[in-house]
Amino acid sequence: GAGVSQSPRYKVAKRGQDVALRCDPISGHVSLFWYQQALGQGPEFLTYFQNEAQLDKSGLPSDRFFAERPEGSVSTLKIQRTQQEDSAVYLCASIPTGGSYEQYFGPGTRLTVT
Amino acid sequence: EDKVVQSPLSLVVHEGDTVTLNCSYEVTNFRSLLWYKQEKKAPTFLFMLTSSGIEKKSGRLSSILDKKELFSILNITATQTGDSAIYLCAGGGQGAQKLVFGQGTRLTINP
Repeated sequence: GAGVSQSPRYKVAKRGQDVALRCDPISGHVSLFWYQQALGQGPEFLTYFQNEAQLDKSGLPSDRFFAERPEGSVSTLKIQRTQQEDSAVYLCASIPTGGSYEQYFGPGTRLTVT
Repeated sequence: EDKVVQSPLSLVVHEGDTVTLNCSYEVTNFRSLLWYKQEKKAPTFLFMLTSSGIEKKSGRLSSILDKKELFSILNITATQTGDSAIYLCAGGGQGAQKLVFGQGTRLTINP
């Protein structure tokens, strides 16, 4: 595809609801990253996949956060029992090979928990 | 703990001015320093720096890395209103492709 796409672009959830955020990386990109960007802050790392393998999930803030990439392309970030502090923009990024640092970002999903 | 600190956090200048944005970093097994521009959507890549003292240029933008003092600067000359954005600096360490981002500098260019 032309770039990294994410859906939905905006999501409003009531506290306690579960949400699922989708990321379609650039076709053929091996590695995929999820970041959380709170208002007025820089992105913070959540988790990282190389193909279908989740190699680093050290940034996931709690066990309510879960990510998967079962076929090594599309990834889903799931947040269970959302809380107000989960309100943020969730950014997905991909890179073509394991050795590159230049990450291509999607437009993000803005999650608002009310 | 790895960290990246940017300054200033906010900067307002007039069109035509030159600005310098600062980024200091502490990243384990440091490999690369990246600059991104973020408007209302996806951060877009500007520069990646891996070697000290070598300036990278793209039009009115330039950047340089000092690996001894652990900082980088991003210069924008002859600023235009379209340069208004948040500029993010990020560090990458060897063996870990994840990036550690700074808080960003919000740059506003007034006509």
